[in-house]
Amino acid sequence: EIVMTQSPATLSVSPGERATLSCRASQSVSTNLVWYQQKPGQAPRLLIYDASTRATGIPDRFSGSGSGTEFTLTISSLQSEDFAVYYCQQFNYWPPITFGQGTRLEIK
Amino acid sequence: EVQVVESGGGLVQPGGSLRLSCAASGFSVSDNYMNWVRQAPGKGLQWVSLIYSGGSTYYADSVKGRFSMSRDISKNTVYLQMNSLRDEDTAVYYCARDPNGYFSFESWGQGTLVTVSS
Repeated sequence: EIVMTQSPATLSVSPGERATLSCRASQSVSTNLVWYQQKPGQAPRLLIYDASTRATGIPDRFSGSGSGTEFTLTISSLQSEDFAVYYCQQFNYWPPITFGQGTRLEIK
Repeated sequence: EVQVVESGGGLVQPGGSLRLSCAASGFSVSDNYMNWVRQAPGKGLQWVSLIYSGGSTYYADSVKGRFSMSRDISKNTVYLQMNSLRDEDTAVYYCARDPNGYFSFESWGQGTLVTVSS
């Protein structure tokens, strides 16, 4: 099973600043990597697929990069609605499809 | 409008059974990969099962042999039959649609809570 490790567990950033979230795979997953955003009491929302392609309707301040075992989600200028938990997910080796444990992005 | 609505959650004793439903609208479940993903209270996301557009099913090891995913195309609904439930199955269960087979879950329901407790 591929283990996905996200860091940091919690990231404190001020509105308007840049946030950089990391996701590491226990072995190469190529670019078969997806990012989601989840707000309290809500279902996850698809942000990025294929490691770097924004999903429909996702603002361009969200960007994904990486391949192999190291991936990054960058939010260029944080808006109030961006404070949430972010998850990465791989599907290169499945079953199972596996998620990271999440990074909580909080207001500094 | 694409929508999925889960139902069927509730309180069940350990060893009991429950069937969850996921009613789809705005698309056909037979043309999509449909998934169940769960989230234990205060925890992260865990993939549970997948049914291909062709009907094949796949499961996480933690539920294999106990859970069974199926669909009724005439009702445009997918199901998750959960047997031999354990405390650790307590979670919100989400139905999620993957329209392109890219294993990226584009549409999610609001979730249904399953609580396994005596």
